[in-house]
Amino acid sequence: AQSVTQLGSHVSVSEGALVLLRCNYSSSVPPYLFWYVQYPNQGLQLLLKYTTGATLVKGINGFEAEFKKSETSFHLTKPSAHMSDAAEYFCAVSPAPAIYNQGGKLIFGQGTELSVKP
Amino acid sequence: DAGVIQSPRHEVTEMGQEVTLRCKPISGHDYLFWYRQTMMRGLELLIYFNNNVPIDDSGMPEDRFSAKMPNASFSTLKIQPSEPRDSAVYFCASSFSWGTDTTLNYGYTFGSGTRLTVV
Repeated sequence: AQSVTQLGSHVSVSEGALVLLRCNYSSSVPPYLFWYVQYPNQGLQLLLKYTTGATLVKGINGFEAEFKKSETSFHLTKPSAHMSDAAEYFCAVSPAPAIYNQGGKLIFGQGTELSVKP
Repeated sequence: DAGVIQSPRHEVTEMGQEVTLRCKPISGHDYLFWYRQTMMRGLELLIYFNNNVPIDDSGMPEDRFSAKMPNASFSTLKIQPSEPRDSAVYFCASSFSWGTDTTLNYGYTFGSGTRLTVV
């Protein structure tokens, strides 16, 4: 079975500071990993994803994440926070296509709300 | 593409009434998912379809909930009768099967959601 743990339901940073949102996963098979962002009163938008290849992936709005298999982690970072980054962030995991019967099902973490102080 | 389209955006109904939520997935996507989001429980997967066939409905909370996908471009989630504890935001999402999208566009596309309030 797969699962996702996001450490910290709420993170607060100052504008211009480093953003670090933590995600650890559990998977018995090679995973696909995702970060989604949800702005107030909106649906979830894909920020970035890791499927295969380079373990450091870059996404939209200056975010990036690194897949570390040895640590079963996929932490999301951004060097300098903007006020517009305030939102809820979700990490998600899915088995890679080799496990056909799992299809495209994603398992989401509980979310981390990011606040950015002026 | 207009993305995943959900209707209505907001629904207020009285307890005991039937509620129907609608979703139009992105053309060509062969998976469709219904999620419910609340403050207390976060994002919960209710049911998902592959090629219009329900694959896993283990997240459907009770028999009061039902979902259909009569064709590749339309799905409904019905609650009958509705209760105040059903109040939540309901999201629909669609995706390609993993491994079939050569543009590497794996991942869900979510609709904007339907905010349901049952009074």
